Amino acid sequence: DSGVTQTPKHLITATGQRVTLRCSPRSGDLSVYWYQQSLDQGLQFLIQYYNGEERAKGNILERFSAQQFPDLHSELNLSSLELGDSALYFCASSARPQAGTTYTGELFFGEGSRLTVL
Amino acid sequence: EDQVTQSPEALRLQEGESSSLNCSYTVSGLRGLFWYRQDPGKGPEFLFTLYSAGEEKEKERLKATLTKKESFLHITAPKPEDSATYLCAVQSLANAGNMLTFGGGTRLMVKP
Repeated sequence: DSGVTQTPKHLITATGQRVTLRCSPRSGDLSVYWYQQSLDQGLQFLIQYYNGEERAKGNILERFSAQQFPDLHSELNLSSLELGDSALYFCASSARPQAGTTYTGELFFGEGSRLTVL
Repeated sequence: EDQVTQSPEALRLQEGESSSLNCSYTVSGLRGLFWYRQDPGKGPEFLFTLYSAGEEKEKERLKATLTKKESFLHITAPKPEDSATYLCAVQSLANAGNMLTFGGGTRLMVKP
């Protein structure tokens, strides 16, 4: 168990609809990352938040948006859904470097939310 | 743009048959190269971080090595429980965040 919690685990919806995926990072982690994994694209970075602010942006579509709340949980909003948006969406969190320890840069991944768009 | 290419895409081994997985990368200043293991329907699980050419890390039957252009994941005497997809990723000094750029993965199947 990585300590990262994602809900829902599975979601089936129709084209044109909007869904929200939720992520709770590991206790104490300030950074949250969203990744999309599809069969043909592999793991693609979408966006990173650090302590409530957007830190880095990847190949995230304009129809997608995310935010990180004061309690550090994050939500990924997907709108005007298309068939091609069907994928596994992973959230990950990372620890803040601590003085006196080796920073591994490791990301801790949740178990993902499987989105199926029909 | 950072790029990671893994080969082969799939690898079938007999139990005990050692082999290596390859990860070739191009990156604007390497902060770290990562190996993850992913089981079906699960999130990637961290294995190793390598920071500089010549570095090696070991864990049980796995050993990761790094050069300036590629990394290898050596699997010695694999067991069926080593069957999984192995992902390689890089973290760039040029990026503001700590995002990882992943390769497509190598799906390893170890038969008893």
